[in-house]
Amino acid sequence: GENVEQHPSTLSVQEGDSAVIKCTYSDSASNYFPWYKQELGKRPQLIIDIRSNVGEKKDQRIAVTLNKTAKHFSLHITETQPEDSAVYFCAASRGSNDYKLSFGAGTTVTVRA
Amino acid sequence: DTGVSQDPRHKITKRGQNVTFRCDPISEHNRLYWYRQTLGQGPEFLTYFQNEAQLEKSRLLSDRFSAERPKGSFSTLEIQRTEQGDSAMYLCASTSSEFYGGYTFGSGTRLTVV
Repeated sequence: GENVEQHPSTLSVQEGDSAVIKCTYSDSASNYFPWYKQELGKRPQLIIDIRSNVGEKKDQRIAVTLNKTAKHFSLHITETQPEDSAVYFCAASRGSNDYKLSFGAGTTVTVRA
Repeated sequence: DTGVSQDPRHKITKRGQNVTFRCDPISEHNRLYWYRQTLGQGPEFLTYFQNEAQLEKSRLLSDRFSAERPKGSFSTLEIQRTEQGDSAMYLCASTSSEFYGGYTFGSGTRLTVV
């Protein structure tokens, strides 16, 4: 099955700086890559996703890049704010039929004021 | 319809007891997923339904676990003869076949087996 690895496991950044989280996946058939943000005690919420027919997608301060050849994708958060502090999960799916997601282990992001 | 609802939010049970959780998906979503999340880990896929049909079960889902989705609406996840290793957050998510907007997760049921 799909194996998704996520790095780093923890990330501390100064407010206003950028944060980058990287994930690799094993199944070359995967074609859908979402990112979820989970605040303490709350449900995971989709913040951005990308499909394999594009290499980059941006939504305000958040961007995701995908390198299908290398089988890795990254989340970039610019101008970080204290409310960006949370656990971020990457995931991968073959899509098409079931959209079953394989998640990474998560990155705890702390934005220092 | 305010989203995916799960009940109960918390469940403490003694080892060996049976427990049942309920998930009410977004009404227009025909796909429903169950995931399990332990501390410090990402969610792990357990099973999913399209309408009332259970289409896939993870090998993580032992014989003690069973899930149903009668009539293609709400779903239940039952764990029989609970073990301490079953302690986790059980998350439900729903989406449509067209998969616009990805999953919507519920708030989860936190199970503690003592």
